[in-house]
Amino acid sequence: NAGVTQTPKFQVLKTGQSMTLQCAQDMNHEYMSWYRQDPGMGLRLIHYSVGAGITDQGEVPNGYNVSRSTTEDFPLRLLSAAPSQTSVYFCASSRGASGTTGSYNEQFFGPGTRLTVL
Amino acid sequence: KNQVEQSPQSLIILEGKNCTLQCNYTVSPFSNLRWYKQDTGRGPVSLTIMTFSENTKSNGRYTATLDADTKQSSLHITASQLSDSASYICVVSEGGSYIPTFGRGTSLIVHP
Repeated sequence: NAGVTQTPKFQVLKTGQSMTLQCAQDMNHEYMSWYRQDPGMGLRLIHYSVGAGITDQGEVPNGYNVSRSTTEDFPLRLLSAAPSQTSVYFCASSRGASGTTGSYNEQFFGPGTRLTVL
Repeated sequence: KNQVEQSPQSLIILEGKNCTLQCNYTVSPFSNLRWYKQDTGRGPVSLTIMTFSENTKSNGRYTATLDADTKQSSLHITASQLSDSASYICVVSEGGSYIPTFGRGTSLIVHP
């Protein structure tokens, strides 16, 4: 089991460029989510998905798009990168969302992607 | 607005000593509370998960307590080791919500 994998580990973009952060899990989890982590702040939810073909916005969705065509993959797209999107991005997966389908849904996080936008 | 406040912001202790980290929350209705450990440069790893009916949960040298009446939780680390140096994050989930609320974390440094 590889768990949750993310690529790339590091990325530098120029303002206005677009890119896709990849996330994959091999645990057959229905719930996947993307977070960003900024210094001095808690992790903030960008987008989440409760299953293939279903996505929804989190707390800070502006400037990001997601899709979920398979259970395994949940890519995050930056449409037109801005310096404010400089952050560390984490993908996570679990059997279900923590507040809904029962409490013992351990959430597994990927190793993160460190993104710098110049 | 749901909030999770952690204290202290940072803590330095000597190897072998015990320590306690605090988490206060305003999330309602409450579903569960989780503690995560995040090593530098890595993703968070789950330590404990507690529901409303649980007031203590252990994972090796880590023991979490929950007082749902006062909306407080603590994470006690016994006989600290150098490898305990990390950020410890408290996360509270609201019943029926897909969006958990994360605390900002407590940075723990264990010195030899």
